[in-house]
Amino acid sequence: GAVVSQHPSRVICKSGTSVKIECRSLDFQATTMFWYRQFPKQSLMLMATSNEGSKATYEQGVEKDKFLINHASLTLSTLTVTSAHPEDSSFYICSAGGGFDYEQYFGPGTRLTVT
Amino acid sequence: GQNIDQPTEMTATEGAIVQINCTYQTSGFNGLFWYQQHAGEAPTFLSYNVLDGLEEKGRFSSFLSRSKGYSYLLLKELQMKDSASYLCASMDSNYQLIWGAGTKLIIKP
Repeated sequence: GAVVSQHPSRVICKSGTSVKIECRSLDFQATTMFWYRQFPKQSLMLMATSNEGSKATYEQGVEKDKFLINHASLTLSTLTVTSAHPEDSSFYICSAGGGFDYEQYFGPGTRLTVT
Repeated sequence: GQNIDQPTEMTATEGAIVQINCTYQTSGFNGLFWYQQHAGEAPTFLSYNVLDGLEEKGRFSSFLSRSKGYSYLLLKELQMKDSASYLCASMDSNYQLIWGAGTKLIIKP
């Protein structure tokens, strides 16, 4: 299957600061990238869907001004958590799609802890 | 509304067989996915069914009945490393994945 990387894998930041998470598809061109959030012992929650070169589509309840998504190329999407607060502490996972089989290829995830 | 139901937790014995069921109701249907997720890690793809029937892939098999809105994941010859959460997800008419809450599978020696 395709390989998707995420960086950083873990990040600890202070309340009020911003954090950028990168998601890269290493061996295929991802026309669509998805950003998920997962709280402990809960299922994946889709935050937004982004298509290369266009604005992301956010799910209901997700603040687009707080979670900035950029998908400038077919291999890179970034999620910036602005003015992070402790309640934003979570596991953030990206996935890349656009393949013929509709499968989404997941990155390894980023664990964000806001103190 | 859109809904995916699967059991919260199941327990099985090493070497045995276990079947994890999933029922779904989504706006349109473009396939049913099963993912495995170990604690603290991202999900990994197991199977994709879009036609009725059984798909076998090694120790894992997945079944789909579109008329019943039903799927199951069958795991044979269970190993301790199979202890994980198993996520069922239905792809709707917009090609979005609607996720179940996951089934935590506990394997006992």
